[in-house]
Amino acid sequence: NAGVMQNPRHLVRRRGQEARLRCSPMKGHSHVYWYRQLPEEGLKFMVYLQKENIIDESGMPKERFSAEFPKEGPSILRIQQVVRGDSAAYFCASSPMADTQYFGPGTRLTVL
Amino acid sequence: KQEVTQIPAALSVPEGENLVLNCSFTDSAIYNLQWFRQDPGKGLTSLLLIQSSQREQTSGRLNASLDKSSGRSTLYIAASQPGDSATYLCADLTQGGSEKLVFGKGTKLTVNP
Repeated sequence: NAGVMQNPRHLVRRRGQEARLRCSPMKGHSHVYWYRQLPEEGLKFMVYLQKENIIDESGMPKERFSAEFPKEGPSILRIQQVVRGDSAAYFCASSPMADTQYFGPGTRLTVL
Repeated sequence: KQEVTQIPAALSVPEGENLVLNCSFTDSAIYNLQWFRQDPGKGLTSLLLIQSSQREQTSGRLNASLDKSSGRSTLYIAASQPGDSATYLCADLTQGGSEKLVFGKGTKLTVNP
C-alpha cells in the first residue's frame, strides 16, 4: 500500500501566477487534510475534506486559496495570484476514518 | 482554542545521553497525541501515537507518555545517537468534532558524536 503521494515535490512560481498542489491519499482513505508550514513556524491546519465535501476550512486564508477532493482523482490545493508570503511547505495527510493521519512528503512552494 | 507548546526549542546533547522532550497542551479533551520526526527539508515521520485512554507508548529506544490531567506529554529517547538529530513535533487531535491536528513548533535536537 503506497503512502500518501504529493506532487510536485518542489514548485517555483512568480508572483501573480497560480499554484496547484496535488495529493493522492493512501488507498482506502477518504479523509484528506492540508497543512502549511511557514519558515521557522509549526505546521498549521488549513482544510479538511472528504470526497466531494469540504468539512472544515477554518484554517484557509479567506482569499486566493481553495481546495477540492473530487470523486475521482487527487485532492487539489489551489493558490491563485501567489505572493511571496505563500512560500512554504504544504503537507497533505490522509486518514481512513478521521483518526490517525498519515502524512505525505510535502510540496515546497517558492514564490519569486 | 487548543495550543501546543514544546520546550526546549532546541537541544544539543552528546551521543549516548538519555533525553526528554516536553510537550504541553491547553485543552485536556484530546482524542490522541502523536509524536513526529521531521528531517530538514523532508516530510513527517510518525513515531508514536498515544490514545487518550493510554498513559504511554514505546517503540525501541523511544517512550512517549501522556498525562491528560496536567496537559503534558514527554518523549524519552534512550542512548541517543547522531542519527536521532532532527526536529521532533508533537500534535494532538482534540475532541469535539474538529479533526485537525494542532502542532507545537517542535524541538530541534542535535546529537553530537
